[in-house]
Amino acid sequence: DQQVKQNSPSLSVQEGRISILNCDYTNSMFDYFLWYKKYPAEGPTFLISISSIKDKNEDGRFTVFLNKSAKHLSLHIVPSQPGDSAVYFCAASEGYGGSQGNLIFGKGTKLSVKP
Amino acid sequence: DAGITQSPRYKITETGRQVTLMCHQTWSHSYMFWYRQDLGHGLRLIYYSAAADITDKGEVPDGYVVSRSKTENFPLTLESATRSQTSVYFCASMRVREQYFGPGTRLTVT
Repeated sequence: DQQVKQNSPSLSVQEGRISILNCDYTNSMFDYFLWYKKYPAEGPTFLISISSIKDKNEDGRFTVFLNKSAKHLSLHIVPSQPGDSAVYFCAASEGYGGSQGNLIFGKGTKLSVKP
Repeated sequence: DAGITQSPRYKITETGRQVTLMCHQTWSHSYMFWYRQDLGHGLRLIYYSAAADITDKGEVPDGYVVSRSKTENFPLTLESATRSQTSVYFCASMRVREQYFGPGTRLTVT
């Protein structure tokens, strides 16, 4: 069973508008969440993260929101740009050290930003 | 330049052959990881290493062997390649709670 789920395989947004990518998790022990962006033929690139003690983290155009009671997090990109077109992976981990630091990834959402 | 590199970037091999994928990082991070990415599965952990000479299995370790004699290197070996191991392989290292990935190796087993 998937512990981290990204239920939308794809998302299409107009340039300049907001992109909202969603992620749900089932393991209540997860305490750290990350978003990665991946372009074709490249490795995933770390984008932004959030600890479970926070409900929001912002970095430029990117904001991650965490709703622990709903076991849900989302990534907002405002404004969206064509260069944001990529596959976005949500990941989670519990604790740190040993196997606890291992990341569990969702299957990804392909974002297309149209000019 | 500092970072994480993988070699080769592309590899075609035959069923039954041994293949080694190389991973090198210049940050001296303690933790390193190997993942495979397949359509419909996202990234799945094969093996990880907490330090030199300390390795452990991930979610999909069968058919793979790892070693880590030096902090900076973490090779992944397919002892007898099978078609099901056709995939894109990513190596990563971790700083605190964030993992940083290499560019990947696309492996095709014929």
